[in-house]
Amino acid sequence: GAGVSQSPSNKVTEKGKDVELRCDPISGHTALYWYRQSLGQGLEFLIYFQGNSAPDKSGLPSDRFSAERTGGSVSTLTIQRTQQEDSAVYLCASSLGLAGDEQYFGPGTRLTVT
Amino acid sequence: TQLLEQSPQFLSIQEGENLTVYCNSSSVFSSLQWYRQEPGEGPVLLVTVVTGGEVKKLKRLTFQFGDARKDSSLHITAAQPGDTGLYLCAGGGGSNYKLTFGKGTLLTVNP
Repeated sequence: GAGVSQSPSNKVTEKGKDVELRCDPISGHTALYWYRQSLGQGLEFLIYFQGNSAPDKSGLPSDRFSAERTGGSVSTLTIQRTQQEDSAVYLCASSLGLAGDEQYFGPGTRLTVT
Repeated sequence: TQLLEQSPQFLSIQEGENLTVYCNSSSVFSSLQWYRQEPGEGPVLLVTVVTGGEVKKLKRLTFQFGDARKDSSLHITAAQPGDTGLYLCAGGGGSNYKLTFGKGTLLTVNP
């Protein structure tokens, strides 16, 4: 079956603009995660969804970042008033939803803020 | 804050050599996962270890979880160019959904 897909694969935006990043998880996976990977850094946890609820938003770096998930499927990560330090690869992962389940990652969206 | 330190950060070796990558922390993790990531792709899970002292083998790869569940190692025997990639370790907490990742070891195996 299809894996996790993300769009766009690359996004270049000007500082101050808003961007939306999309994630389509594996069908049937109830848990969805967003991570950020910066050059030379490991993956940084941003937010976790169980169904449409986000029980853990602790990783969102500022109030410019928000995410939602609808229909227990597609998720959108929105960054408002982008800053250069937001430049990174944004990765989405999904899992069946039970604790300890393997997380399957998408290919990521490379965001460049100029 | 739980941190995972990986070493070395970069490793370039010749085909056929052996290597070991380390993942260390001062914190105890309920599980430790190893991922491999290739350019332009997301990480792919290689193995999960959950018991202190556990050793798992995956073909030429051997993974070990420290007795105290604070550290892990990945050993590759007779490395091949196809092993090239970024190797990431990730520690799981009690809930296991929230993973703490190390910065990774970038391995290059030259033919």
